[in-house]
Amino acid sequence: EVHLVESGGGLVHPGGSLRLSCAASGFTLRSHWMHWVRQAPGKGLVWVSRINFDGSSLLYADSVEGRFTISRDNSKNTLYLQMKGLRAEDTAVYYCAREANDGDVFDFWGQGTLVTVSS
Amino acid sequence: DIVMTQSPDSLAVSLGERATINCKSSQSALYSPNNNNSLGWYQQKPGQPPKLLIKWASTRESGVPDRFSGSGSGTDFTLTISSLQAEDVAVYYCQQYFTTPLTFGGGTKVEIK
Repeated sequence: EVHLVESGGGLVHPGGSLRLSCAASGFTLRSHWMHWVRQAPGKGLVWVSRINFDGSSLLYADSVEGRFTISRDNSKNTLYLQMKGLRAEDTAVYYCAREANDGDVFDFWGQGTLVTVSS
Repeated sequence: DIVMTQSPDSLAVSLGERATINCKSSQSALYSPNNNNSLGWYQQKPGQPPKLLIKWASTRESGVPDRFSGSGSGTDFTLTISSLQAEDVAVYYCQQYFTTPLTFGGGTKVEIK
């Protein structure tokens, strides 16, 4: 059974940093592109970042470009999101999501980890 | 960026009745290589992550009840729940994957009347 488990969220001051992790099990991580999607409290879904099979191709939403870095360690079956220069508007539940093999839809999602940016 | 606009924002439907959710894309989502529309639908229940229901505008994911169906092409898409059940209370999102950045609609909240 596919499982994605995020960790690393918490309360951070504006300008601070945080690294999220997403542990994958039940499938071969290296066989899928992976994404981060966030959801501000009471709001909709917003795509954040994408990484290809081996980490050689990265893509970011304009809102996080230059501040966030996506990476993966296939040997550890883990996806990461390094976040720096955090702002209040980055407050959200961050989900890691697996991309389906036949299109950029997300066929499995983790439960999410809450990041709160506040002074 | 492709803007996805859902309507209505919310709807209340009686049990067993039909629920219809619309999604309009600011650009065509038709993927020429396979002549399919790059449009997915998700269901999100309170406190849970989203769940993929439909991809390619009309292809149901394995295990999704057949009361859920997707239709449409180009820029206009519809998710239909043919006979609403209590467990269908949720927020539903459409998502285009024709191009990056991947974008979602604002969501439609479905409740029981």
